[in-house]
Amino acid sequence: DIQMTQSLSSLSASVGDRVTITCRASQSISRHLNWYQQKPGKAPKLLIYAASSLQSGVPSRFSGSGSGTDFTLTISSLQPEDFATYYCQQSYSTPFIFGPGTKVDIK
Amino acid sequence: QLQLQESGPGLVKPSETLSLTCTVSGGSISSNNYYWGWIRQPPGKGLEWIGSIYYSGSTYYNPSLKSRVTISVDTSKNQFSLKLSSVTAADTAVYYCARRGITIFGVVNLYWFDPWGQGTLVTVSS
Repeated sequence: DIQMTQSLSSLSASVGDRVTITCRASQSISRHLNWYQQKPGKAPKLLIYAASSLQSGVPSRFSGSGSGTDFTLTISSLQPEDFATYYCQQSYSTPFIFGPGTKVDIK
Repeated sequence: QLQLQESGPGLVKPSETLSLTCTVSGGSISSNNYYWGWIRQPPGKGLEWIGSIYYSGSTYYNPSLKSRVTISVDTSKNQFSLKLSSVTAADTAVYYCARRGITIFGVVNLYWFDPWGQGTLVTVSS
């Protein structure tokens, strides 16, 4: 199985900050990488697919980059509604594996 | 707007079978290229993909659960279902259903999960 890691389990940031969340795959997955946002008590929401494609309706302050094994989700200017947990997920091969998540909370 | 809704018992006894149904509305479960999947999340923990099904009945499962999982589809009702046998407390989780979509870049297929149902908590306890 391809394992996914996220270097930070949590980070603290302020409104307006630029936030970067990283994700690493245990082997190359090309661009088969998705990012999801999950708020407490809610289902995950797709933000970015194929490493860098913005899902329809997602604000442009979210962006994704990377290929191979290292990927980044960037929030250019953190908004109050962005405080949540962010998961990466590889779709290169089954089983589809999610990263452990990075929780973004208020500094 | 496509919507998914999970339904089923919220409490299951150990060693019994967990059964959930996902009802799809606002679109057809028989759409080409889309699979339909189940994903779970134990309380306070991360996400685990359980398996997926195509409207034709083709399935693929997470090997870690494969011996206990059955996913089926009922196109006449626009529903798909999950059965997980021999449950233990470790199977206590919020269970989500989701559409597995596809984006084709040249000869490369990329998959993603969207939308998701709201989730349903299933507790395994006697």
